[in-house]
Amino acid sequence: GAVVSQHPSWVICKSGTSVKIECRSLDFQATTMFWYRQFPKQSLMLMATSNEGSKATYEQGVEKDKFLINHASLTLSTLTVTSAHPEDSSFYICSASGGQGFQYEQYFGPGTRLTVT
Amino acid sequence: LAKTTQPISMDSYEGQEVNITCSHNNIATNDYITWYQQFPSQGPRFIIQGYKTKVTNEVASLFIPADRKSSTLSLPRVSLSDTAVYYCLVVTYSSASKIIFGSGTRLSIRP
Repeated sequence: GAVVSQHPSWVICKSGTSVKIECRSLDFQATTMFWYRQFPKQSLMLMATSNEGSKATYEQGVEKDKFLINHASLTLSTLTVTSAHPEDSSFYICSASGGQGFQYEQYFGPGTRLTVT
Repeated sequence: LAKTTQPISMDSYEGQEVNITCSHNNIATNDYITWYQQFPSQGPRFIIQGYKTKVTNEVASLFIPADRKSSTLSLPRVSLSDTAVYYCLVVTYSSASKIIFGSGTRLSIRP
C-alpha cells in the first residue's frame, strides 16, 4: 500500500524558535497533502490543504504566517511552526493524496509530536 | 461536507463482536463511507471503505443500508489490541477534497 512518512517523529524545541516537519510520500506522487493537528484526547483538526506548486489553503482560525506550508515537489511537503510557543505543543499529522486505489484516497503519516518548552 | 455522528465511547470484552454505528444523514451521491483506526501517538490507519450494502475484509465488515444515512462497522472477535479510537468519515472522491474528522468512538476492550 501507499506509504507516507514524517520526520522527525518527535521534537522538543524552545519557545520562540522555529521547527520544520517533513511529510513524504514514499511510493507515489502526492498531488495534494493535508496537515492536521491533534491535541490529547481530541480528534484530528485539519489545518491546511496544499497542492504541489501552489499556495496552501488554510482552514479558518489557522494562522498562515505561523504555520508555513511548502509543497515544492510531488513527494514532499513541509510544515514550519514559526516562533513556537508552548500552546503549539501538539501531535501533527500529514496525509497525502494521489496514490493507489482511489485516485484521491488519503494516506496518513505516523505523526510528529512537538513539545515546546 | 457530510457530518457524522457516532458514540463517544464503547466497552467490550475480548472475543466479542463489536458493532459501532455512525449516522451521516446528509451524505451525498459521490460520498463513500470510510473508517479509520487510531492508536495513541500514531496516525490514523485505514480499516474499511464502502458505498452501499456490505463490504468485508480481513479485519472488519461494513454494513450500509439502502438509504446510506448510517453505517455500522463490525469487528469480529475483538482482542485487547483493538482498543483504539475509531473514526467514521464521509469522503468525496470527485476531487482531492478534505476530510473532516468527527469525535470518533473510543473503544475499550477488557480481558
